[in-house]
Amino acid sequence: EADIYQTPRYLVIGTGKKITLECSQTMGHDKMYWYQQDPGMELHLIHYSYGVNSTEKGDLSSESTVSRIRTEHFPLTLESARPSHTSQYLCASSVGRQPQHFGDGTRLSIL
Amino acid sequence: SQQGEEDPQALSIQEGENATMNCSYKTSINNLQWYRQNSGRGLVHLILIRSNEREKHSGRLRVTLDTSKKSSSLLITASRAADTASYFCATDSYNNNDMRFGAGTRLTVKP
Repeated sequence: EADIYQTPRYLVIGTGKKITLECSQTMGHDKMYWYQQDPGMELHLIHYSYGVNSTEKGDLSSESTVSRIRTEHFPLTLESARPSHTSQYLCASSVGRQPQHFGDGTRLSIL
Repeated sequence: SQQGEEDPQALSIQEGENATMNCSYKTSINNLQWYRQNSGRGLVHLILIRSNEREKHSGRLRVTLDTSKKSSSLLITASRAADTASYFCATDSYNNNDMRFGAGTRLTVKP
């Protein structure tokens, strides 16, 4: 298994709260990604980073923000959670054009 | 935006049978990858096939690529109950470093 970790695994929280989903990798990969995936559905790229201080929005519009201050760390933040943010969030990393390594995801439920 | 489209959306077979899943894509690619996702987990890379390759094997997996038809197939031979998972194809184009994932095929192998 790849060394990429996401916390928390599950989060149930009320509307309006600020949330940070953590993602860390110990492989020294320069590229990191965040995907949103509803159960049984396709993955949608919401953010990616090609290195420190580099972040870009993906294909799916998201109200979340990301930062990349350290190579190994790529947190995703929702300033004010809403029920529409309920989903699974997957973090991945890669180097060059090599396959992506995924974490086990965070299942987020906003009440 | 989604690039690959898997077919069928769902497949149910008996243990020991072969499972074939197909993937079609729209634009020219650099490589195509297949991933597996167990329920509630992240994706795990299975196999990568480059645009100049036509067939690749890995254990019980066989992947073919037809760039003229913009399609790929994943064959799992002698399936086992443990193969039950969702299988995704992902494409990497020459112009875009980001992977694009399809909606996946949900495979159920009955013991």
